[in-house]
Amino acid sequence: QLQLQESGPGLVKASETLSLTCTVSGGSIRFTSFSWGYIRQPPGKGLEWIASIYDSGYTHYNPSLKSRVAMSVDTSKNQFSLRLTSVTAADTALYYCVRYGDGNTGLAAFDLWGQGTMVTVSS
Amino acid sequence: QTVVTQEPSFSVSPGGTVTLTCGVSSGSVSTGSYPSWYQQTPGQSPRMLIYNTYSRSSGVPDRFSGSILGNKAALTITGAQADDESDYYCVLYMDSDVWMFGGGTRLTVL
Repeated sequence: QLQLQESGPGLVKASETLSLTCTVSGGSIRFTSFSWGYIRQPPGKGLEWIASIYDSGYTHYNPSLKSRVAMSVDTSKNQFSLRLTSVTAADTALYYCVRYGDGNTGLAAFDLWGQGTMVTVSS
Repeated sequence: QTVVTQEPSFSVSPGGTVTLTCGVSSGSVSTGSYPSWYQQTPGQSPRMLIYNTYSRSSGVPDRFSGSILGNKAALTITGAQADDESDYYCVLYMDSDVWMFGGGTRLTVL
């Protein structure tokens, strides 16, 4: 059974860069028609899609974060990663890594979610 | 900027039926928006309930159904149970490979 696990520092200083890695276990990250991404949830608030990447390296970014976000994928390690630069307190959130099955899979939805990792931006 | 809208809160009696909706601030929601719905209980990751407008995820009870009602996507719970008390989120596919979540609906069963 495919599982996703986030890892990264729980505390990041304001103006610095947040870096998270998601490790995929129980299967390969090399899935045609599936992309891998991050969704975040500030404390007590709703969900926000951040970015997604295919195993080919093709990426999509939330326009509101695009200038600060970058994703990468390492198929040899079955991992994908997120970098968010110039963080502020507004970036404090629970960060989930997710899998997205696109229209070719019939899903067009985020079908798998990690447990989430809390990142706090400190001043 | 387009906003995806959901009712902030809703209440339903046990055994009752409730329909949560998911709209957009400009325009209408169609199957081409590929609406999907997620249930989140406190301290848990969201769980996919409905994908591609109508399809139920594996293991999801058939009291949950998805549809398009007018110009919105809808999630209907028929015969609500106590453990349906959760936050529910919809997400829509927008142009240019962008996904937008609604603000979520907190459902109370009482």
